[in-house]
Amino acid sequence: AQKVTQAQTEISVVEKEDVTLDCVYETRDTTYYLFWYKQPPSGELVFLIRRNSFDEQNEISGRYSWNFQKSTSSFNFTITASQVVDSAVYFCALSGVIQGAQKLVFGQGTRLTINP
Amino acid sequence: DTAVSQTPKYLVTQMGNDKSIKCEQNLGHDTMYWYKQDSKKFLKIMFSYNNKELIINETVPNRFSPKSPDKAHLNLHINSLELGDSAVYFCASSRLFGRAADTQYFGPGTRLTVL
Repeated sequence: AQKVTQAQTEISVVEKEDVTLDCVYETRDTTYYLFWYKQPPSGELVFLIRRNSFDEQNEISGRYSWNFQKSTSSFNFTITASQVVDSAVYFCALSGVIQGAQKLVFGQGTRLTINP
Repeated sequence: DTAVSQTPKYLVTQMGNDKSIKCEQNLGHDTMYWYKQDSKKFLKIMFSYNNKELIINETVPNRFSPKSPDKAHLNLHINSLELGDSAVYFCASSRLFGRAADTQYFGPGTRLTVL
């Protein structure tokens, strides 16, 4: 069975600090995809990034970076120089195909609070 | 232009009532989904539709019945609402069917409160 664990339920930091959100996953698939979504206080779910299982190159987008390590089944997300607008719940998700259909399994989410 | 839209945004109703939530996507996607987010923010898939056909039905009570009149619309009808149905319901869509690589785009959510 597929499973995603985000062990950090809540994180609180002061603005401009760097913060890393952890994501550990379990799957028996050899090919799979991992996603991060952001849910700001307004409630919508915003897609951030998709990563496939055969590309371990780290990705950077502005202040956001992602570290994928297949050996430890982890896909961690780092925000550099955090800002108040980064306050949100962040979800890691694992994608596979079950019964012919794509299925996203989400972690429990990490609530990130950036204090001014 | 809104890619995935849902109506209503908020729904407050009494136990035992029947209610519907509507979802529309203008992305030209083939596949649509309903998710439930509980009070602890846990997100779980309920249904998956491909081009109007039901593909996945997770262990959801029969009181929940999705309907897809065309591939751009997926509605959720809930009969005999119970207190435990209170949650945020998200609609989502993805471009193709059956691809783990596809990105799912979510609607703004409908917060359902059953009193």
